[in-house]
Amino acid sequence: DAGVIQSPRHEVTEMGQEVTLRCKPISGHDYLFWYRQTMMRGLELLIYFNNNVPIDDSGMPEDRFSAKMPNASFSTLKIQPSEPRDSAVYFCASSKGGVGPTNEKLFFGSGTQLSVL
Amino acid sequence: GEDVEQSLFLSVREGDSSVINCTYTDSSSTYLYWYKQEPGAGLQLLTYIFSNMDMKQDQRLTVLLNKKDKHLSLRIADTQTGDSAIYFCAESPYNQGGKLIFGQGTELSVKP
Repeated sequence: DAGVIQSPRHEVTEMGQEVTLRCKPISGHDYLFWYRQTMMRGLELLIYFNNNVPIDDSGMPEDRFSAKMPNASFSTLKIQPSEPRDSAVYFCASSKGGVGPTNEKLFFGSGTQLSVL
Repeated sequence: GEDVEQSLFLSVREGDSSVINCTYTDSSSTYLYWYKQEPGAGLQLLTYIFSNMDMKQDQRLTVLLNKKDKHLSLRIADTQTGDSAIYFCAESPYNQGGKLIFGQGTELSVKP
């Protein structure tokens, strides 16, 4: 398996533009997570899905952020409109789910470095 | 609530031992984890410990768990320059569907 695949690797956009980040989880993984990493706040969980259904979106900063998982092999995180304070590295991760290190082990993508000017 | 705290920076000399500390709040976590992030990459699982254990050793890595104080530590023996990275501890709250709560990460700098 190729692992968790994220695109784009880097995104530079202007304030007010719409940004869409994409993620392909590992085949067979039932859980998908979106994290945001900044120097100030560290690694924050934004939202996660189980079997394509959003379970906990309490980490989504505000209504400008939305995430979807239309099928088991694809998820998007959208920011509209984007602001400079959204600049961060956004990681997607997947896991089998369930208790125990084998099931809980997260596999991370390489991240999308977002810069909003 | 769920919260994981770590110190932000640690600097050691090559060959010394490194000890990275972490405190967590959720006593329901069955497993606790250490992840490693190298520059420009995502996090990778380094090791883990079952909550009923006090210690786990894995080659150069030793994990110590004080469940009473909710304190977790990672010791790296004979630290090498290749160990320079950010280390995250994580708890897995019970019945949260596999959600991991990460600390802020400790940046380990190994000087030759």
